[in-house]
Amino acid sequence: ELKVEQNPLFLSMQEGKNYTIYCNYSTTSDRLYWYRQDPGKSLESLFVLLSNGAVKQEGRLMASLDTKARLSTLHITAAVHDLSATYFCAVEADTGNQFYFGTGTSLTVIP
Amino acid sequence: NAGVMQNPRHLVRRRGQEARLRCSPMKGHSHVYWYRQLPEEGLKFMVYLQKENIIDESGMPKERFSAEFPKEGPSILRIQQVVRGDSAAYFCASSPSLVEPQHFGDGTRLSIL
Repeated sequence: ELKVEQNPLFLSMQEGKNYTIYCNYSTTSDRLYWYRQDPGKSLESLFVLLSNGAVKQEGRLMASLDTKARLSTLHITAAVHDLSATYFCAVEADTGNQFYFGTGTSLTVIP
Repeated sequence: NAGVMQNPRHLVRRRGQEARLRCSPMKGHSHVYWYRQLPEEGLKFMVYLQKENIIDESGMPKERFSAEFPKEGPSILRIQQVVRGDSAAYFCASSPSLVEPQHFGDGTRLSIL
């Protein structure tokens, strides 16, 4: 079974600071997704990374994918309180049938 | 264009009862996926269906759980004789094809008394 590990699991950071969340996965895959989940809510798609070296940016968030290292990063620049949420990475199995989700990173941005 | 619709949003059942969770995919989406999320954990894949067919149910418990996606109407996740350990949030996602991202519903939060 494909395993997906995120770290850190919990992250508390001050507004204005930068930080990176890491997502490692255990087998080959060329498709990786980042989602955001607010408490009691569904998952909101943030980024779709479909090839080695892919980099996407939206506002203060930037995601990258290194398929050779089986690693994706989600970088937060100059954090603001509105970014407080749980962030999940998900890797699509090569069969295309299912996603494997990481354990999530609970981010709290402190004013 | 309505998103993935799940109902009910919250469902309370007593041990031994049946739970039925419904999911209407986005218009034009024929691929449906069900996931379970335990508190403070990530989502775990349960089953993948296309119209009238179960494609992959490798994440479904072997007993008490079943899923269907009939030709007409929503996809149904059915849990028979529920137990406390079934308490979780159940999310449905849909996509128009295997190469398109999955869109998630708001989930059904199942509580077992």
